[in-house]
Amino acid sequence: DADVTQTPRNRITKTGKRIMLECSQTKGHDRMYWYRQDPGLGLQLIYYSFDVKDINKGEISDGYSVSRQAQAKFSLSLESAIPNQTALYFCATSDSSRETNEQFFGPGTRLTVL
Amino acid sequence: QKEVEQDPGPLSVPEGAIVSLNCTYSNSAFQYFMWYRQYSRKGPELLMYTYSSGNKEDGRFTAQVDKSSKYISLFIRDSQPSDSATYLCAMTGTASKLTFGTGTRLQVTL
Repeated sequence: DADVTQTPRNRITKTGKRIMLECSQTKGHDRMYWYRQDPGLGLQLIYYSFDVKDINKGEISDGYSVSRQAQAKFSLSLESAIPNQTALYFCATSDSSRETNEQFFGPGTRLTVL
Repeated sequence: QKEVEQDPGPLSVPEGAIVSLNCTYSNSAFQYFMWYRQYSRKGPELLMYTYSSGNKEDGRFTAQVDKSSKYISLFIRDSQPSDSATYLCAMTGTASKLTFGTGTRLQVTL
């Protein structure tokens, strides 16, 4: 089945460590997104990419960077993790040919920064 | 003030009840409206989307949009314990990004 996958699913790391979260999709979508979800705050957009050469900051990009290695792969990096980056991270995809821009989400990565 | 407001709940209803979930928004440019369902420890799953004002029905689910009031609703008929989840509204205009509500947690009890 066409799908959005994320690795790892769970990660515990220490303050100051560099960490990378990976996202792959088989939906053939051109647009990809990274969100974080915190209780009571909903989904906040970190970065988004409308194609391989187009990467844009979202609402909360400070402390994060991304890489779009191919149409199907979009990675999120935390250069120097801090405890308030503890959250649930989601990757999502969408198809630019659809006006509705409905997004399809991966299963999430639960990140804990000690 | 947030662009999209959604009551966080929790909302607890007995099995078989009709559930009404709602969002209000402030941006007149929003044209497409979506509802996502998120089970605990899972990613959000698209339930329904609608364009502009009106109703859309899909099985036990009905999505309703009132653009004049900037108010959208999701109705669930004959609610089941398997409907217990967090429901997020989302909307977009022409910017191709979605703006999400914070989600309403629903618990359907036996």
